[in-house]
Amino acid sequence: EAGVAQSPRYKIIEKRQSVAFWCNPISGHATLYWYQQILGQGPKLLIQFQNNGVVDDSQLPKDRFSAERLKGVDSTLKIQPAKLEDSAVYLCASSPRGAGELFFGEGSRLTVL
Amino acid sequence: DQQVKQNSPSLSVQEGRISILNCDYTNSMFDYFLWYKKYPAEGPTFLISISSIKDKNEDGRFTVFLNKSAKHLSLHIVPSQPGDSAVYFCAATPGTYKYIFGTGTRLKVLA
Repeated sequence: EAGVAQSPRYKIIEKRQSVAFWCNPISGHATLYWYQQILGQGPKLLIQFQNNGVVDDSQLPKDRFSAERLKGVDSTLKIQPAKLEDSAVYLCASSPRGAGELFFGEGSRLTVL
Repeated sequence: DQQVKQNSPSLSVQEGRISILNCDYTNSMFDYFLWYKKYPAEGPTFLISISSIKDKNEDGRFTVFLNKSAKHLSLHIVPSQPGDSAVYFCAATPGTYKYIFGTGTRLKVLA
């Protein structure tokens, strides 16, 4: 079974530029999560999808971050414009029904200069 | 507001000995808890979980203990192996499947 796929693995941009991250969850997993992990901290939930609907986006900085999950499968997280404090690893995770364990991708490391 | 806390940022243990990683939580609505292991440049991988209706769950060398009255859980690794060296995160959810993660404990197992 293929795992959660994320791209790109690494991205370096300057502040005020934009960036997009892509995630393809495990086949059949209805729930998809985007987490932000800043160095030395635990993963922080940005947004949770159930199929293609948003369940929780209370911690998503909506003035600069956006996310979509078209057709309830893969998802894109966008940051525009980026700030220095957005430097982090962006982790995508999926689960079969939002229950039990989460399966994480390898993450996308963003550096904002 | 840090609802899930791992107060020890790092821990060193001799190979073959027991590793004990601790986690405290503040939200009494949490009813499902998980431990994840993370190697550098990789995503977290699931290790073991426990429901609030239990106080112990074992899987091979890994055991998780839950003390609901103290709002505390711990992960025991026996015996510890060098390959266990990683960052360990505990996570909790109140049943809405919004998982809240702790800040992690870096475990180093010395050969």
